[in-house]
Amino acid sequence: ETGVTQTPRHLVMGMTNKKSLKCEQHLGHNAMYWYKQSAKKPLELMFVYSLEERVENNSVPSRFSPECPNSSHLFLHLHTLQPEDSALYLCASSFTQGSGETQYFGPGTRLLVL
Amino acid sequence: EDKVVQSPLSLVVHEGDTVTLNCSYEVTNFRSLLWYKQEKKAPTFLFMLTSSGIEKKSGRLSSILDKKELFSILNITATQTGDSAVYLCAGSGSARQLTFGSGTQLTVLP
Repeated sequence: ETGVTQTPRHLVMGMTNKKSLKCEQHLGHNAMYWYKQSAKKPLELMFVYSLEERVENNSVPSRFSPECPNSSHLFLHLHTLQPEDSALYLCASSFTQGSGETQYFGPGTRLLVL
Repeated sequence: EDKVVQSPLSLVVHEGDTVTLNCSYEVTNFRSLLWYKQEKKAPTFLFMLTSSGIEKKSGRLSSILDKKELFSILNITATQTGDSAVYLCAGSGSARQLTFGSGTQLTVLP
């Protein structure tokens, strides 16, 4: 399998649940990202893992917790989410280049928090 | 704070028309500008632009970057209904962050 894959593709959870989103890239990239896409809003970068270093958007609540065990796998752990967290969560990966990077996106996980 | 602004927000045209989508940016330590097409799923990559004044083409789509005026345009000629999508522009700067614009919703009517 090639490209960037994400599981599950759809998730419905209650506010007291704990779940995890998974992303896997088969492109040999060395950086991975989590984005949140809410309706009628720009894509929002949540976390970046690059060469084992983590960069995060300080506005992301602590109920979202990323984990990157290696350069091919990325998780987003979810706990005690709120209804406003319902969105499309996109994973992306890229390969570091001096002139800029192209990020390739996975298909996304559509999350609904009840 | 980095900012990317796209215009128009939405556009409705008929098949065969030519459209121009605009993207202006303010990105610290700017490295590149990217265009994506998003239908009812994840964005798919179209172009990455790093040099000013050099047009990139792919079939009926083309794009150019003006680093002096800090903007880029995406042209689509002879539009088809399959071109209907949200077109996203993003600026790449420091810390490997992409700042996205709100997108332009393009609707091509038969």
